[in-house]
Amino acid sequence: DAGVTQSPTHLIKTRGQQVTLRCSPISGHKSVSWYQQVLGQGPQFIFQYYEKEERGRGNFPDRFSARQFPNYSSELNVNALLLGDSALYLCASSLSAVGLYEQYFGPGTRLTVT
Amino acid sequence: AQTVTQSQPEMSVQEAETVTLSCTYDTSENNYYLFWYKQPPSRQMILVIRQEAYKQQNATENRFSVNFQKAAKSFSLKISDSQLGDTAMYFCAFRNSGGSNYKLTFGKGTLLTVNP
Repeated sequence: DAGVTQSPTHLIKTRGQQVTLRCSPISGHKSVSWYQQVLGQGPQFIFQYYEKEERGRGNFPDRFSARQFPNYSSELNVNALLLGDSALYLCASSLSAVGLYEQYFGPGTRLTVT
Repeated sequence: AQTVTQSQPEMSVQEAETVTLSCTYDTSENNYYLFWYKQPPSRQMILVIRQEAYKQQNATENRFSVNFQKAAKSFSLKISDSQLGDTAMYFCAFRNSGGSNYKLTFGKGTLLTVNP
């Protein structure tokens, strides 16, 4: 089975622009989480979606939004990009949002804001 | 809020030797999960080992084992017989076992280099 996939792999945007990142979970997984990993730091939680509903949100501004589609894929949108949004954005999927279900991470999207 | 601290930004070990990575955390919860993740230079995060806080027995996975000290809020990772492929960033992570939000809280990571 395919793992978690993310697109695009790399992205370069200009300050003030908007960006959409995409994530396809492992088949059968209904929960998707998004993390931001700034260079040299551990990932920071942005959102969790389960069964198309937002189940959790990290300490990020309203410029960050996300959604989950009926096929459980997900998009992360960031508006009015700032230089500080440059990071690796990781998507993780799991079977469920409850219990000790392993989160499987995708390879990430490297976003550079210039 | 939970916090995870990894006090060793970088470590190195010779191939075939044993190395221990440190992690401490802070929480007021009694039930939770702890994880060690590995992020090789290719970037994909991989789960190495996990521990449920209510279990006193330390988890082991082949060459990887943990020393879980709940009272001290300590969760170290021991890698035995280190291999070149173990070279990676290692992240300690915490997750609550209850509630509706199952986010992972990560430490800043330890860069482990295994030397031939």
